Amino acid sequence: DQQVKQNSPSLSVQEGRISILNCDYTNSMFDYFLWYKKYPAEGPTFLISISSIKDKNEDGRFTVFLNKSAKHLSLHIVPSQPGDSAVYFCAASGYSNFGNEKLTFGTGTRLTIIP
Amino acid sequence: DGGITQSPKYLFRKEGQNVTLSCEQNLNHDAMYWYRQDPGQGLRLIYYSQIVNDFQKGDIAEGYSVSREKKESFPLTVTSAQKNPTAFYLCASSMGQTGNYGYTFGSGTRLTVV
Repeated sequence: DQQVKQNSPSLSVQEGRISILNCDYTNSMFDYFLWYKKYPAEGPTFLISISSIKDKNEDGRFTVFLNKSAKHLSLHIVPSQPGDSAVYFCAASGYSNFGNEKLTFGTGTRLTIIP
Repeated sequence: DGGITQSPKYLFRKEGQNVTLSCEQNLNHDAMYWYRQDPGQGLRLIYYSQIVNDFQKGDIAEGYSVSREKKESFPLTVTSAQKNPTAFYLCASSMGQTGNYGYTFGSGTRLTVV
C-alpha cells in the first residue's frame, strides 16, 4: 500500500518559469512532510519541510503548500534554474507499529529544466 | 565536519556471494536506516535501527541482514538469498525524532552482481 504517491514520474519546465511538483498521501496521521532533492549517484539532500498544522512554508525560491482536506502537497520552485534538474522525493513523517517515527517516501519526480 | 560515509561507492559481487556495505556516521544520531533505490520505484526501506543493539525489518528485508553494535556504525550484508541485489543502496541517519529535520543521507553504494 503506497501511502505517499507522486503520480508524475517526470516534468520538464522552461528555465525561469515555475516548477510545480505534486504529492498525495493517504495517512491522515502524518505530522510532517518533507521534500528531498537527489542528483544521480548521490544521496538525497533535504530541501524543505512543513508541519501538518501549517498550510505553507517558504524558503527562498522554494515554497511547499499543504492541503490537508485533499491530502495533497506541492512544491513550487520559482524561478526554475538549470541546477534544479534532479529527482525530487516527497516524504511524510509518521509513527511505525513499533512506536518509532520514520519517513515514508514517494517514488520521485524527475524534473528537467530546459535552458 | 559531520556526516555519513558509505563505502565503497561501487561494488561488484559474484552470484552466490555475501557482501557487506559499510555505513558510518559522526553526527551522534540515534537512528540509522538502509534504503534501496531501483529505477521507477523510489526509496524502499530495508532495515532501520533506533538504538544500539536493536533493529527492525523494513518493507523489503528478505535477503538482507544488519547489525548495530556501535552507535556510529550500521553495516548491511546482502546475502546470497537476495534474488535481485543489483541496486543503489542508501544509508541515512536521524536524531530519532524525525519531525521536520528528516534524515541525513550518505552518498550511496552501487552494487552490481556479475
